Amino acid sequence: NAGVTQTPKFRILKIGQSMTLQCTQDMNHNYMYWYRQDPGMGLKLIYYSVGAGITDKGEVPNGYNVSRSTTEDFPLRLELAAPSQTSVYFCASSFTGLGANVLTFGAGSRLTVL
Amino acid sequence: DQQVKQNSPSLSVQEGRISILNCDYTNSMFDYFLWYKKYPAEGPTFLISISSIKDKNEDGRFTVFLNKSAKHLSLHIVPSQPGDSAVYFCAAIQAGTALIFGKGTTLSVSS
Repeated sequence: NAGVTQTPKFRILKIGQSMTLQCTQDMNHNYMYWYRQDPGMGLKLIYYSVGAGITDKGEVPNGYNVSRSTTEDFPLRLELAAPSQTSVYFCASSFTGLGANVLTFGAGSRLTVL
Repeated sequence: DQQVKQNSPSLSVQEGRISILNCDYTNSMFDYFLWYKKYPAEGPTFLISISSIKDKNEDGRFTVFLNKSAKHLSLHIVPSQPGDSAVYFCAAIQAGTALIFGKGTTLSVSS
């Protein structure tokens, strides 16, 4: 079982460049999420999706875009990268957004913007 | 404004002893509380949860206690093992919203 797969694991961007972090899950989960974790901080929600074609903003959405064309995939797009977006990004999924809402996380993508 | 607070960045414990990780919250509407464990270079993994209608949940060496009046929960690990060394995140959720995480506590268990 692959679970949640994120690519790339590491990336260095120059200021102003754009890129897409890929996330795919094979558990047929309805809900998918993107979190970022800055050093010494907890995970902050960027965007989430409750199903194909439906996305919504989280706590820190500025500078990012998402799309959900299939149940499996939830890519995160960074436009005009800024040093403040240097972080570790985690994609996660869950069967439901209700109840105990146990999320399954990917291994993370470490992004550095110079 | 942090809704979920883990005020101890780190905790060191000897193997075989009890580890107690603490978490405070401010939102009385939270329905569930969860603990996640994270090893370096890996994503967080679910450890244990508790509903707001309960005051204790146990799973093997891990027990979570909830004190609603104090808006406080704690994770007890007994006995602690070196493999428990990781970052532990407290998280909480209110129905219809997404998980909110604390900043994490790094647990080091020495043999």
